[in-house]
Amino acid sequence: GNSVTQMEGPVTLSEEAFLTINCTYTATGYPSLFWYVQYPGEGLQLLLKATKADDKGSNKGFEATYRKETTSFHLEKGSVQVSDSAVYFCALSEGAAGNKLTFGGGTRVLVKP
Amino acid sequence: GAGVSQSPSNKVTEKGKDVELRCDPISGHTALYWYRQSLGQGLEFLIYFQGNSAPDKSGLPSDRFSAERTGGSVSTLTIQRTQQEDSAVYLCASSYSLLTATEAFFGQGTRLTVV
Repeated sequence: GNSVTQMEGPVTLSEEAFLTINCTYTATGYPSLFWYVQYPGEGLQLLLKATKADDKGSNKGFEATYRKETTSFHLEKGSVQVSDSAVYFCALSEGAAGNKLTFGGGTRVLVKP
Repeated sequence: GAGVSQSPSNKVTEKGKDVELRCDPISGHTALYWYRQSLGQGLEFLIYFQGNSAPDKSGLPSDRFSAERTGGSVSTLTIQRTQQEDSAVYLCASSYSLLTATEAFFGQGTRLTVV
């Protein structure tokens, strides 16, 4: 079956630091990959996605590249802000599975001023 | 509506009681999903609907859980004879299609506490 593994948190950073959250996946087919974010008190929101190997998703200064050879989709941001404090979820979906999402365990990120 | 709406936002119930959770998806979205977010299990898929039919119920934890969708719109997740392990945040999401990589829009969830 499909699975997603991401680094456990919490990750605590200072403002303007570099952020990396590792994510690896196992899938039987060719999944699409996502990063969702949950800000305090809010619902899950799509942050970025990539649908095929070597695609790079980007949004709000965050980037992630679909690496089929290493089955990874690591999230990076060069300079974080306090407003980036949230829980980040890596996820995958496969069309044959009705586009349902398989999530990683989530990584809490806390950015301090 | 503007987004996915779930009600109630919080529900405290006694063990053994039945509960109904409601989801109002974004207008025009044909696909609707239920997930559960709990401390020990993370985010788990429960069931999805295409229109009013549910092709995949594989994530429902037991036969105490059921869901329906009427008119291709509102969905209700029902938990019968609630147990303490049912305590979690129940999330609903909708998307305009079942095609892979279609963005799913999530509601804010219903926090269920079974005491």
